[in-house]
Amino acid sequence: GAVVSQHPSWVICKSGTSVKIECRSLDFQATTMFWYRQFPKQSLMLMATSNEGSKATYEQGVEKDKFLINHASLTLSTLTVTSAHPEDSSFYICSARDPSFETGGPADTQYFGPGTRLTVL
Amino acid sequence: AQTVTQSQPEMSVQEAETVTLSCTYDTSENNYYLFWYKQPPSRQMILVIRQEAYKQQNATENRFSVNFQKAAKSFSLKISDSQLGDTAMYFCAFPLINAGNMLTFGGGTRLMVKP
Repeated sequence: GAVVSQHPSWVICKSGTSVKIECRSLDFQATTMFWYRQFPKQSLMLMATSNEGSKATYEQGVEKDKFLINHASLTLSTLTVTSAHPEDSSFYICSARDPSFETGGPADTQYFGPGTRLTVL
Repeated sequence: AQTVTQSQPEMSVQEAETVTLSCTYDTSENNYYLFWYKQPPSRQMILVIRQEAYKQQNATENRFSVNFQKAAKSFSLKISDSQLGDTAMYFCAFPLINAGNMLTFGGGTRLMVKP
């Protein structure tokens, strides 16, 4: 099956620093990737949709300048948390859409990375 | 707006027994997909099963099957012969076709399989 990796799996940083999280589709090309945030015991909240070669689409309430997304290639999207603060501590998950799952289908399956735990001190 | 509702925050089942997790959704679309994802303690999201709305036959994947009631907008997941490894959070998800297929998730059901 399709595999999505994330790096790092866990990062601890000081308040005010920036952290970059990478999301890679390993065995398929993903024109669209998604970034989610998950708080303990809660569901996933979509932060933004990352489209290869174009600007990301952010959900309402998500600061564009705070969470920078770059989808520079068909297999890599990055999320940079700029000037991180303790309230940014969370579990960040990316997913990649496999457009080849079923040609002509109305929706494609998303495969998820293993997540990145961010702790800001 | 599309919504996905999972009305059971927590459930438990004895090993080897059967359990059903419920999910309802609201949409104006006619042709769509529905997904169940599993999130074990490792927090890796794993696709369990998917259902195409245009198919009348319920999807099955080994011990996992769905009861899809399109008119009622219901999409429940049945786990047969429950195993300890089934202990996880289960999320029902619905893609927004006009929004790049971004997924709307239900609130999740925490399933505990007891030995």
